[in-house]
Amino acid sequence: GDSVTQMEGPVTLSEEAFLTINCTYTATGYPSLFWYVQYPGEGLQLLLKATKADDKGSNKGFEATYRKETTSFHLEKGSVQVSDSAVYFCALSRTTDSWGKFQFGAGTQVVVTP
Amino acid sequence: DVKVTQSSRYLVKRTGEKVFLECVQDMDHENMFWYRQDPGLGLRLIYFSYDVKMKEKGDIPEGYSVSREKKERFSLILESASTNQTSMYLCASSFPTAFYGYTFGSGTRLTVV
Repeated sequence: GDSVTQMEGPVTLSEEAFLTINCTYTATGYPSLFWYVQYPGEGLQLLLKATKADDKGSNKGFEATYRKETTSFHLEKGSVQVSDSAVYFCALSRTTDSWGKFQFGAGTQVVVTP
Repeated sequence: DVKVTQSSRYLVKRTGEKVFLECVQDMDHENMFWYRQDPGLGLRLIYFSYDVKMKEKGDIPEGYSVSREKKERFSLILESASTNQTSMYLCASSFPTAFYGYTFGSGTRLTVV
């Protein structure tokens, strides 16, 4: 079945450091790929998405590129802030899934220190 | 501002109680979902609904049931709460395709004692 694998956290880094969170997937066909963010005490929010190979999603300084050849969708940000401390979830949805269901990764906690 | 509202942020219930978790969305979304979130396990789908009175089992439906009598409301029911159902419960809604992603509620942290 479909699956999403994320790097384990927590990832701890200093303000203004470069952030990468690895995400790889297994799926039949051509899934759409998403990153969600969960700030403390809140639900998940859609951060960015990409719906086909080589698409780049971007939002709030975060970027991720849909790499079909490596089945990856790594999240990057060039200079993190303390306010980026959150849990980040990689997710996929198969375009052939008529219900629009998502498969989520386990989540990666990011802690940014001043 | 569009939103998904879960009726309680925190709940404490006793083993064996019947528990109702309520979720309401104001976006006229067809699909609604219930997930539970546990450390190290991510989000696991319990049930989802694609229309009023329609429901489908997710990956972990055992011990749960759902009700969707109106389009905007999706309820999760724990028939007889057990301690292993202590978790964060997240409700989400979406249009029929995944293109626009999900909108999530803020979650209900349920503790069963």
